[in-house]
Amino acid sequence: DTGVSQNPRHKITKRGQNVTFRCDPISEHNRLYWYRQTLGQGPEFLTYFQNEAQLEKSRLLSDRFSAERPKGSFSTLEIQRTEQGDSAMYLCASSLPGQYYGYTFGSGTRLTVV
Amino acid sequence: GQQVMQIPQYQHVQEGEDFTTYCNSSTTLSNIQWYKQRPGGHPVFLIQLVKSGEVKKQKRLTFQFGEAKKNSSLHITATQTTDVGTYFCNSGNTGKLIFGQGTTLQVKP
Repeated sequence: DTGVSQNPRHKITKRGQNVTFRCDPISEHNRLYWYRQTLGQGPEFLTYFQNEAQLEKSRLLSDRFSAERPKGSFSTLEIQRTEQGDSAMYLCASSLPGQYYGYTFGSGTRLTVV
Repeated sequence: GQQVMQIPQYQHVQEGEDFTTYCNSSTTLSNIQWYKQRPGGHPVFLIQLVKSGEVKKQKRLTFQFGEAKKNSSLHITATQTTDVGTYFCNSGNTGKLIFGQGTTLQVKP
């Protein structure tokens, strides 16, 4: 494995359109996390999975956001009816389970909503 | 995850000067992890501290975990321009890490 892979690297979309991002974690990592980051802020937690189970979703996340990890490997994050406020860097990370393992982040998908 | 407070938020230093950032918690932490994010990059895991009073070094970087496991520090000796970025500390007992704003370091050459 070369690390966590995210696609696409950049996405420009018109307001109201749906977008989907993909994350391929390190294969032996069964935990996968999604974060959102805007300029000057730290990464904001969105949701995380252990294998295919979504264990937690941020209460700040609107119903327009949904994430899946159907086979416990790659994950997708979908944003429906995008708004300008959704413009941000979306980061995916993976780790082994438990608090004593560091996260490996992907390079992120930068979303611009116009 | 357990949230920690980090200070300072920003630090500007002259190249060659030392730099320290501090993390503090009101509760005892199970562990502390440090990450670095370069401008335009993504967070990169640096190190984890678990034991009370633990000190670890990575070249010019020295990481400490307090005796009471309520605080931690990262000290950089003789900063270089390659040290520029935002440093985050985190702790998590279950589930996910919560990131604060970190400490953004600027180094003037």
